[in-house]
Amino acid sequence: TQLLEQSPQFLSIQEGENLTVYCNSSSVFSSLQWYRQEPGEGPVLLVTVVTGGEVKKLKRLTFQFGDARKDSSLHITAAQPGDTGLYLCAGSSRGSSNTGKLIFGQGTTLQVKP
Amino acid sequence: KAGVTQTPRYLIKTRGQQVTLSCSPISGHRSVSWYQQTPGQGLQFLFEYFSETQRNKGNFPGRFSGRQFSNSRSEMNVSTLELGDSALYLCASSLVVSTEAFFGQGTRLTVV
Repeated sequence: TQLLEQSPQFLSIQEGENLTVYCNSSSVFSSLQWYRQEPGEGPVLLVTVVTGGEVKKLKRLTFQFGDARKDSSLHITAAQPGDTGLYLCAGSSRGSSNTGKLIFGQGTTLQVKP
Repeated sequence: KAGVTQTPRYLIKTRGQQVTLSCSPISGHRSVSWYQQTPGQGLQFLFEYFSETQRNKGNFPGRFSGRQFSNSRSEMNVSTLELGDSALYLCASSLVVSTEAFFGQGTRLTVV
């Protein structure tokens, strides 16, 4: 069974601090996505990483895919209250003939206090 | 391009009743997945449809079923509702199976 473990599960920090969220697995994924979800809404796709070692930046957010494509990290610089939400990673492993799975981590709840 | 549309947004049902939720994917997307989200269990995968065929199924009882129509729209049905079925039900569409998922706003189901 493929699993994605996210850490930490909860994070409460002050505005301006930096933080890193980790997403780890023993399985290899063809791609990995990061989402952010606000209460009562659906998750919103932030980024997709495909190549081992790939780094993508989205303003103050930096996403990295591990060299072996088994893990990923999300780093936020100078967090702001607007970054508050549930962060989810999801690994995609595609098979043949339109089969495959999208595996979600348990999520990291981030609270950024002003 | 319009996003994923789920209807209704909110629903209150009584134990024992059944419910049908609807999802219209992004135009051109042929894969639709359904998830149940609760505070204690996180995001739990229900099933995924592609070209009107169920491609993947999660570990949910047979009371949970779904289908996909030729226009890629999907419905999920829950029969004999239980209190524990209260959750946010999310639909996601993808171009093909198990790639980037684009979520709707969800349907908040409350069973009383």
